[in-house]
Amino acid sequence: AQSVAQPEDQVNVAEGNPLTVKCTYSVSGNPYLFWYVQYPNRGLQFLLKYITGDNLVKGSYGFEAEFNKSQTSFHLKKPSALVSDSALYFCAVRDLGGATNKLIFGTGTLLAVQP
Amino acid sequence: DAGVIQSPRHEVTEMGQEVTLRCKPISGHDYLFWYRQTMMRGLELLIYFNNNVPIDDSGMPEDRFSAKMPNASFSTLKIQPSEPRDSAVYFCASSLKTGRYEKLFFGSGTQLSVL
Repeated sequence: AQSVAQPEDQVNVAEGNPLTVKCTYSVSGNPYLFWYVQYPNRGLQFLLKYITGDNLVKGSYGFEAEFNKSQTSFHLKKPSALVSDSALYFCAVRDLGGATNKLIFGTGTLLAVQP
Repeated sequence: DAGVIQSPRHEVTEMGQEVTLRCKPISGHDYLFWYRQTMMRGLELLIYFNNNVPIDDSGMPEDRFSAKMPNASFSTLKIQPSEPRDSAVYFCASSLKTGRYEKLFFGSGTQLSVL
């Protein structure tokens, strides 16, 4: 079965510093991977996706993610964190079969950016 | 477009009562998903519809839960009778299948508290 794991419940970073939110995946076949962000009292919002092609994927709000097949990872990164980036981040993988947009989400990582 | 609209935003009820959550997807979208978010289990897919037809309800916890989509612009998730362990945030999401992947657009959720 397709799955993703987010090993960190929370990541703390100072404003202006680079940030990384980790995600590893387990899939059969080619992975379709996604990052979503959830701000307080809001629904999830799409950030970026990896389908195929370049291993470095650029997304919204200056975020990017690096697909690493050998390490089965898809870490979310940003060169310089902002306080406004503080939110809950979810990694997701497309499930096999059924709808192409049926996603399986990780448990989420809370990103806290200190001023 | 107003996005995915969910109502109510908050629902407080007593154990044993019937609860109905409502969702209006983005106009033109052909997929609709119901997710439940809790601290313990994270984000779980309960059921999804394609063109108003339920495709996969394997995530529905038990017979107390039911979902309908009588037309393309409206869906309900009903819990009868409700129990304290049903307390969670329930999200509705919609998407349009146009290619190899589709973004999910989430509503702001319904915070359900069962006392």
